[in-house]
Amino acid sequence: KAGVTQTPRYLIKTRGQQVTLSCSPISGHRSVSWYQQTPGQGLQFLFEYFSETQRNKGNFPGRFSGRQFSNSRSEMNVSTLELGDSALYLCASSLEGRSHGYTFGSGTRLTVV
Amino acid sequence: AQRVTQPEKLLSVFKGAPVELKCNYSYSGSPELFWYVQYSRQRLQLLLRHISRESIKGFTADLNKGETSFHLKKPFAQEEDSAMYYCALSFTGGGNKLTFGTGTQLKVEL
Repeated sequence: KAGVTQTPRYLIKTRGQQVTLSCSPISGHRSVSWYQQTPGQGLQFLFEYFSETQRNKGNFPGRFSGRQFSNSRSEMNVSTLELGDSALYLCASSLEGRSHGYTFGSGTRLTVV
Repeated sequence: AQRVTQPEKLLSVFKGAPVELKCNYSYSGSPELFWYVQYSRQRLQLLLRHISRESIKGFTADLNKGETSFHLKKPFAQEEDSAMYYCALSFTGGGNKLTFGTGTQLKVEL
């Protein structure tokens, strides 16, 4: 059974640019969540999608957005990149129901220069 | 708002010694609690869930609603237990959203 796949693994972008990250969940998982992980702030929740609908949103500016497709694959987009957006972005998928927990991907390491 | 607190950033123990990683939470409802582990250069992975009441790799965790705690314990630490451990909580009405603590780095010394 394939795990959660995130692409690309590494990205280097310049301030002001935009970036799109992709996540393919485990087959059968319809819930996909995104987290930002940094040494200073730890794991910060970005948003959760379920059946193509955003169900939860964290406390991030509107530059951060996402979507989910009918096959449950998800993308997140960050526009007008800032240096502070440099982080590891993690995608996690889950079966429906809050007791299951997540399966995480390996993440996309974004560096903004 | 829900909150998860892991008071120790770093916990260092000797091999064979007991381990207790502390986790406290604040949530007025009925929580679902988890422990996640991240070994060096590996992805974050689920270690155990309170609802399953299982022991994984010798680790156990008991939910204490009176003390709002979910401490992770292991009677005898092994070198391979060295990793970053995160406690997480999900709450009613939050969908599948997990709120994570800041993590505790466990270092098992020989």
